[in-house]
Amino acid sequence: AQKVTQAQTEISVVEKEDVTLDCVYETRDTTYYLFWYKQPPSGELVFLIRRNSFDEQNEISGRYSWNFQKSTSSFNFTITASQVVDSAVYFCALSVLSYSGAGSYQLTFGKGTKLSVIP
Amino acid sequence: DSGVTQTPKHLITATGQRVTLRCSPRSGDLSVYWYQQSLDQGLQFLIQYYNGEERAKGNILERFSAQQFPDLHSELNLSSLELGDSALYFCASSPQVEAHQDTQYFGPGTRLTVL
Repeated sequence: AQKVTQAQTEISVVEKEDVTLDCVYETRDTTYYLFWYKQPPSGELVFLIRRNSFDEQNEISGRYSWNFQKSTSSFNFTITASQVVDSAVYFCALSVLSYSGAGSYQLTFGKGTKLSVIP
Repeated sequence: DSGVTQTPKHLITATGQRVTLRCSPRSGDLSVYWYQQSLDQGLQFLIQYYNGEERAKGNILERFSAQQFPDLHSELNLSSLELGDSALYFCASSPQVEAHQDTQYFGPGTRLTVL
């Protein structure tokens, strides 16, 4: 079975600080996909990044960066110079190919980390 | 805007009632997924349809059912509603043509309140 753990339930930072959100995953599959989604106070889920298990290159997109380490089964997310608009709940998710229904990529989500950026 | 639409945005109903949630996927996406987000259970996968056929089932109650129509929109039917069914219900869609394209994009959700 798949599992995603986001140990940090809530984090508060002051604007312009850097913050790292942790994500640890468990799966026995060798091919899998990792995701981060953002859920702002308005409630929608916004896709941020997708990474496959064969690509351990770190990625940077503006103030966002992601560190994927297979050795520790972690896929951490860092926001540099945080802003008030970054306040949201962030979800890490894992998908593997499930053959229970002729091939399906269901997402297993962590519990989320609520980030509050204080001005 | 993800391109996935869900209606209604909010729904308030009473215990024992039946409701239907509607989802239109992104243009070109063949797969539709339904998820339930509640305070105690978090985000949980319910069911997936691909091009009109059920492809996978998750933690979906027997009182819940879904279908995907020829125009690819999907409906989630919730019946004999209980207080515990109050939650945010998300629809997501993906191309699912090949694995590397299979990112799920989520709609804005339908907030269901059962009184």
